[in-house]
Amino acid sequence: GDSVTQMEGPVTLSEEAFLTINCTYTATGYPSLFWYVQYPGEGLQLLLKATKADDKGSNKGFEATYRKETTSFHLEKGSVQVSDSAVYFCALSRGAAGNKLTFGGGTRVLVKP
Amino acid sequence: EAGVAQSPRYKIIEKRQSVAFWCNPISGHATLYWYQQILGQGPKLLIQFQNNGVVDDSQLPKDRFSAERLKGVDSTLKIQPAKLEDSAVYLCASSPLRGRGSNIQYFGAGTRLSVL
Repeated sequence: GDSVTQMEGPVTLSEEAFLTINCTYTATGYPSLFWYVQYPGEGLQLLLKATKADDKGSNKGFEATYRKETTSFHLEKGSVQVSDSAVYFCALSRGAAGNKLTFGGGTRVLVKP
Repeated sequence: EAGVAQSPRYKIIEKRQSVAFWCNPISGHATLYWYQQILGQGPKLLIQFQNNGVVDDSQLPKDRFSAERLKGVDSTLKIQPAKLEDSAVYLCASSPLRGRGSNIQYFGAGTRLSVL
């Protein structure tokens, strides 16, 4: 079946540091890939997405590139802020619109001033 | 545009009791999802509706969990009787059936259930 594996946290960084969260997936065909973020006390929010190989999703300074050859979708940000402290989830959906999301276990990121 | 509404935000019950959660999706969204998120894990799909029909309930523990979406709008998820391992956050999400954003799910804030 489909699965998503992401690096375990917590990841603790200083402000303005570079952030990378690794994500790899297992799925047949060509899934769509997503990063969702969960800020403290809030629901999941879509951060970015990519729907085909070599697509780059970007939002709020975060980027991730869909790598079919390595089945990866690593999340990066060049300079993090305290407000980026949250739990980040990598996810995939397969097939047409309306299919379920399969999530990774989440990575907690803590950015210190 | 109003987001996905869920209630209650928190619920504490004793094992073997019953509980119900309510979800109101974004207006016009045909697809509605219920996910279970156990502490420290990613959300796992319990059931997916398209309008008022069930698309996928393969991961729903049907001996104790039930869900309905009457009239294809609001949805209710029920647990009866609850077990200790049902302690989790129950997330509702919705998405449009077609068009821009049809592969994006919009999540509510969730209901945190504690079973004692």
